[in-house]
Amino acid sequence: EVQLVQSGAEVRKPGESLKISCKGSGYIFPTSWIGWVRQMPGKGLEWMGIINPSDSDTRYSPSFQGQVNFSADKSINTAYLHWSSLKASDTAMYYCVRPNAGDTFFDYWGQGTLVTVSS
Amino acid sequence: EIVLTQSPGTLSLSPGERVTLSCRTSQSVGSSRLAWYQQKPGQTPRLLISGAYFRATGIPDRFSGSGSGTDFTLTINRLEPEDFAVYYCQHFGTSPSLMYTFGQGTKLEI
Repeated sequence: EVQLVQSGAEVRKPGESLKISCKGSGYIFPTSWIGWVRQMPGKGLEWMGIINPSDSDTRYSPSFQGQVNFSADKSINTAYLHWSSLKASDTAMYYCVRPNAGDTFFDYWGQGTLVTVSS
Repeated sequence: EIVLTQSPGTLSLSPGERVTLSCRTSQSVGSSRLAWYQQKPGQTPRLLISGAYFRATGIPDRFSGSGSGTDFTLTINRLEPEDFAVYYCQHFGTSPSLMYTFGQGTKLEI
C-alpha cells in the first residue's frame, strides 16, 4: 500500500528555519516525483512545486520560487520542504503529494503538516 | 499560466438533490489533464475524478465528470450527507515547465 507519512506539527517564531519531511513507502520512491501543496487557514489548495527524488530535479511554482527549498534523500525514501526564514504568512497546512504514473494528477496525499509561525 | 475558475463559490443544497459544479480554464486544455478532488472539513483532499471523466478507485458512481476545451463539470447525483465538502479542480501543464494549478474551490453546504 502506497503511503506518504509526514512529520508532525511545528510551531516556530518568525525568522526561524524549519524543515518538514515526507516519507514514502509501498512503492519505489525514486520512480515518482513528490510535490508539495499549501493550504492556508480557511483557504484553498496551492501547488508549491515538485521534486524528482532520483536526481533532485526541482520545479517551483513561480509563487513559491525563492521562498522555500525542496530536497530529497532517496536512501531513506524521504522528501523535505525547507524554509530558511519563516514569516507569519507561512502559517498553513502543508501536504506532500505523489503524482500518478502520467504525472497529471495527485493520487496519494500525505496527512499534512501544520506549520504555525507566531511570535 | 492557465487559470482555473470554479463556480459557484458556495452552493447550499439538500440531500437527494443533484448538483453540477463548474471549472472553467483560461485556455483550452486537454481533458486528460483535468482532475477533481474532494476535501471534507479537517481531512486531506482525495482524488475523485481524473482525465476529466474517470472516477478514482472507490468513488461512488453518483459522481461523474464531463467537459472539454475550457469548460468542465463535476456532477453529483442524489447528494448524500457525506458529500457536503469543498471540491477543487486541478490542471496539469508542461509549458514552459511542469505546472499544476488548482481552482479556488466550490463549497457545498447543506
